[in-house]
Amino acid sequence: SQKIEQNSEALNIQEGKTATLTCNYTNYSPAYLQWYRQDPGRGPVFLLLIRENEKEKRKERLKVTFDTTLKQSLFHITASQPADSATYLCAPLGGGKLIFGQGTELSVKP
Amino acid sequence: NAGVTQTPKFRVLKTGQSMTLLCAQDMNHEYMYWYRQDPGMGLRLIHYSVGEGTTAKGEVPDGYNVSRLKKQNFLLGLESAAPSQTSVYFCASSYERAGNEQFFGPGTRLTVL
Repeated sequence: SQKIEQNSEALNIQEGKTATLTCNYTNYSPAYLQWYRQDPGRGPVFLLLIRENEKEKRKERLKVTFDTTLKQSLFHITASQPADSATYLCAPLGGGKLIFGQGTELSVKP
Repeated sequence: NAGVTQTPKFRVLKTGQSMTLLCAQDMNHEYMYWYRQDPGMGLRLIHYSVGEGTTAKGEVPDGYNVSRLKKQNFLLGLESAAPSQTSVYFCASSYERAGNEQFFGPGTRLTVL
């Protein structure tokens, strides 16, 4: 069956550093993959979409890569800020629908 | 422009009781979705709709029913609640094409005793 894996352990980094979150998927080949941010007690908010023919996508301090050979997407936040602290969900497209990973919690300390 | 709204925000039910969760969107989206989110499990799709009058099963549909009588509303029903249905429920909507970004509501926290 289709499976999504994100780092289950929280990621703690210092303000100003680059945060890198990993999303691995198995048993399918998504045409594209989305990343969402979720704050406690709130619904997820869309951040970025990357297609299978795109190696990299950028939006301000965010960068996403998509390696279809490794079946992996990396999500980077450069010059991280305490306001970036949240849970980040990856969601590859599978069977015509998004399949969400369990998310990785990021904590940026000042 | 309120986006996606959900009613109620919190609810406590006893086993066997029924209830309906309401989702409304004002963005004229064709697609609407109901998810549940449990610790360590991520978002799991319960049911979805690709347009007014249509519904389809997602990954975990058992114990739930849905209706989409109006384009802007998507209702999720629990006919006989069970403790296993304790969860946070999110509604989302998107433009016509599957895979477009989804806009989520604030969630409903449901506890079944």
